[in-house]
Amino acid sequence: AQSVSQHNHHVILSEAASLELGCNYSYGGTVNLFWYVQYPGQHLQLLLKYFSGDPLVKGIKGFEAEFIKSKFSFNLRKPSVQWSDTAEYFCAGITGGFKTIFGAGTRLFVKA
Amino acid sequence: DAGVIQSPRHEVTEMGQEVTLRCKPISGHDYLFWYRQTMMRGLELLIYFNNNVPIDDSGMPEDRFSAKMPNASFSTLKIQPSEPRDSAVYFCASSTAGTSNTGELFFGEGSRLTVL
Repeated sequence: AQSVSQHNHHVILSEAASLELGCNYSYGGTVNLFWYVQYPGQHLQLLLKYFSGDPLVKGIKGFEAEFIKSKFSFNLRKPSVQWSDTAEYFCAGITGGFKTIFGAGTRLFVKA
Repeated sequence: DAGVIQSPRHEVTEMGQEVTLRCKPISGHDYLFWYRQTMMRGLELLIYFNNNVPIDDSGMPEDRFSAKMPNASFSTLKIQPSEPRDSAVYFCASSTAGTSNTGELFFGEGSRLTVL
C-alpha cells in the first residue's frame, strides 16, 4: 500500500542547531514528494517539492530536501534553525491520480 | 488571486445536529480535496474530486459524512448527524494538473468543528 512515514513525532532544538527530519515513502513507480509546513494556528503551506531532476531540492526559508531513491527517503534539512521555524512539518507524496498521502507530521519546537 | 476559501472558520454544535462545511477552490483548479486533522490521527484524506466528480471517497469515515461538488467553484462536506468524535479541523485544498503537473496542494484556512 502507498504510505509515507515520518520517524520523529517531536523534535526540540536550540536556535542555530541543524535540523534533519526523516521521511520514507512506499510507492511503486513515479512519485512526487513534498514537504509542507503548518505554523501554529495556520493552514499547511508548501516548503518544497520534488518531481524529477536534481535530487537535492531547495525550498523556502533555507530548507532543502534530498530524494534518495535507493533508500525511499526524502529527508528535510536546514543547517541552522530559528525560533520562527517552530511548526509542524509534513512529508507527503502522490503517485498518479493526484491522491496526496501525508505522513503523521513532526512537531518542531525551537528554543530561543 | 484569492486562495482557497472555507467557511465557517469555527463551528460549535451539539451532538446530533447537521453540520455543513463549505469550500471555494482557487479558480481554474480542477482538483479539490477534503482533509480532516486531529491530534490522534493526523491529516486524513476524506475525499477528492476531479472536474467536480468524486474520484476517491475511501477515506470518508461512515455514512454520516457526505460531500458534493455541484460546480467548479463550490464544494460542501456535510455531517449528519454529528458526533463528538467528529470534532476536528477540516481542511479543503485545491490543485491543478497544469503543465508542471506536480500536484502541489493549496490549502484553505480550515474549519474548526467542535461537537458537544
